[in-house]
Amino acid sequence: DAGVTQSPTHLIKTRGQQVTLRCSPKSGHDTVSWYQQALGQGPQFIFQYYEEEERQRGNFPDRFSGHQFPNYSSELNVNALLLGDSALYLCASSLRAGEQYFGPGTRLTVT
Amino acid sequence: ELKVEQNPLFLSMQEGKNYTIYCNYSTTSDRLYWYRQDPGKSLESLFVLLSNGAVKQEGRLMASLDTKARLSTLHITAAVHDLSATYFCAVDHGSSNTGKLIFGQGTTLQVKP
Repeated sequence: DAGVTQSPTHLIKTRGQQVTLRCSPKSGHDTVSWYQQALGQGPQFIFQYYEEEERQRGNFPDRFSGHQFPNYSSELNVNALLLGDSALYLCASSLRAGEQYFGPGTRLTVT
Repeated sequence: ELKVEQNPLFLSMQEGKNYTIYCNYSTTSDRLYWYRQDPGKSLESLFVLLSNGAVKQEGRLMASLDTKARLSTLHITAAVHDLSATYFCAVDHGSSNTGKLIFGQGTTLQVKP
């Protein structure tokens, strides 16, 4: 049974660019949540997708947007990248709002 | 706004010793989670605590929840080097289960031989 997968593993972008991160949930899960973890900090909730709609959102600007596909996979898009967007981006999947299982993360570096 | 605070933030201990990590949260919540994170890695789920008085144990780790005090503890018994990692508690944001987790700052545990 495949767990949560994320791609790419690492990414380097330049300020002002746009980036798309991808997440495939654990088999049987229908909800995807995204978190940003800056170095030395706890993860911060970005948003949650269920039934292809954004259901909840944390305190992140509109530069952060997402999408969920009919197969439950999800994308996180960040526009106009800032140096402060450098972080580990974690995707977590769950069945509705049940226990979340985290993927390996995507390490984004903005230069 | 829900706030989650852990203490201590850093803990250096000798192998064989016992210690407790504390997690306080500011508003009512139905669920509390403990995760482990190794450097450069993702989060590994340790415990899910669902009700007042819940206690769960796995190996040398035991977690408990007191919803009235809004406090959870993670107790380490006879620490070994393999337990060195950062431990996070996370609380579900809503009074009913929402799936929006608010994390503490993390406690970095260093176990010395």
